[in-house]
Formats: sequence, C-alpha cells, structure tokens
Amino acid sequence: EVELLESGGGLVQPGGSLRLSCAASGFTFGNFAMSWVRQAPGKGLQWVSHINGAGSTTYYADSVKGRFTISRDNSKNTLYLQMNSLRAEDTAVYYCAKDPFYDSRRWFDSWGQGTLVTVSS
Amino acid sequence: QSALTQPPSASGSPGQSVTISCTGTSSDIGGYNYVSWYQQHPGKAPKLIISEVSRRPSGVPDRFSGSKSGNTASLTVSGLRAEDEADYYCSSHAGSNIVVFGGGTKLTVL
Repeated sequence: EVELLESGGGLVQPGGSLRLSCAASGFTFGNFAMSWVRQAPGKGLQWVSHINGAGSTTYYADSVKGRFTISRDNSKNTLYLQMNSLRAEDTAVYYCAKDPFYDSRRWFDSWGQGTLVTVSS
Repeated sequence: QSALTQPPSASGSPGQSVTISCTGTSSDIGGYNYVSWYQQHPGKAPKLIISEVSRRPSGVPDRFSGSKSGNTASLTVSGLRAEDEADYYCSSHAGSNIVVFGGGTKLTVL
C-alpha cells in the first residue's frame, strides 16, 4: 500500500525558510515522479512543483519560482521542498502527491495527509 | 496558470444524479485527454476518482463517471449516497510543464 507522510510544517515569519519532507513507502520510489500541491485555508488546490523519478528534471509554478526548490533522495525514499523568502500567501497545507509514471505531470494517484505551513509575524 | 472554472456548489437527493462541470481552454482541457477528478472530504487529503477523462481507479464505485466535450469536462455522480458529500476538484495537464486545478465544487447530499 502506498504511503506518503509529510513533515516539517510549522509557523514561520515572513521572509523565513522552511524545509518540508515527504517519506514514501509501499512502492519503488525512484520509478515515479512526485509533486507538491498546496491548499490555502478554505481554498482550492494549487500545484506547486514537480520532479521526475531521477530528480533530474524539475518544474515550478510561477508563484514560487526562484523561492522554492524541490528535490528527492531516492536512497531514502524521501521528497523535499525547500521554501525560502516565504510570504503570507504561501500559508497552506502542503501535500506531496505521487505521479502514476516516471515523469508525466498528468494526474496524481496517491496523496499524503499534508503538513500545514503558516507564514505570519 | 489560471484555474479551471467549476461551480462552487452542487446538490442532489439520495439516489439522484448530479453533474459537475469544469471549464477550461484549448490549452488545457481542450488540448489533452488528461482530465482528472479528486474527491476531498473535510480535513482529509484529496483522493483520485477519475483520470484520463473517464478512467476509474480500482476501488472507485462505477457511480462516478467522467466525460469531456471541447474545453469542458464533467463529473457525474449517480445514485447519490450520503458519503458522496465532499468537495470535488477537476484538474488538467496544461502543457508548458504544468498542472492546473479547478476551484472546487462542494457537493451536498440533501
């Protein structure tokens, strides 16, 4: 059974940094692309970033480009999101989501339970 | 990276059918057969219920069906049940290396 467990969320001041982690199990992690998707309180889903199975190709939403960095460690079955220069509008629950293929950016077949990031002074 | 357009709410009585629309453009829904739908209960993670316009993952009841015409996709829930009450989100591959979501529809079972 696929399991995705996010961690690293919390309260951070504007301009600060945070690193999220997503521990994966139940599948061959390196064979599948992964994404981060966020949901602001009471709002809809927003795709944030994507990384292919090897970690060699990454993509970002315009709203986070230059501030966030997605990475993965396939030896540890873990996905990361380094978030710098955080803004109030980055406040959201951040989900890691599994791609059904090595690199498709088409849909997400499994989701973690999410970790809340609050950016506030 | 504009969101797809969904009605904010939909409702139906138990046993009835409800259809939720999702409107995009030729750059997303109209350009690819990669429309997906997600169900999200309060406080829970989204769950994939439809991929590639109309494919149901294993374990998803056949009461859920998807379709697409032009730039608009639709999710139909037949034989409404109380547990279907949730938020539903559409999504589409949108070229330019991105995925775009709809704003979500709150389905109420009356």
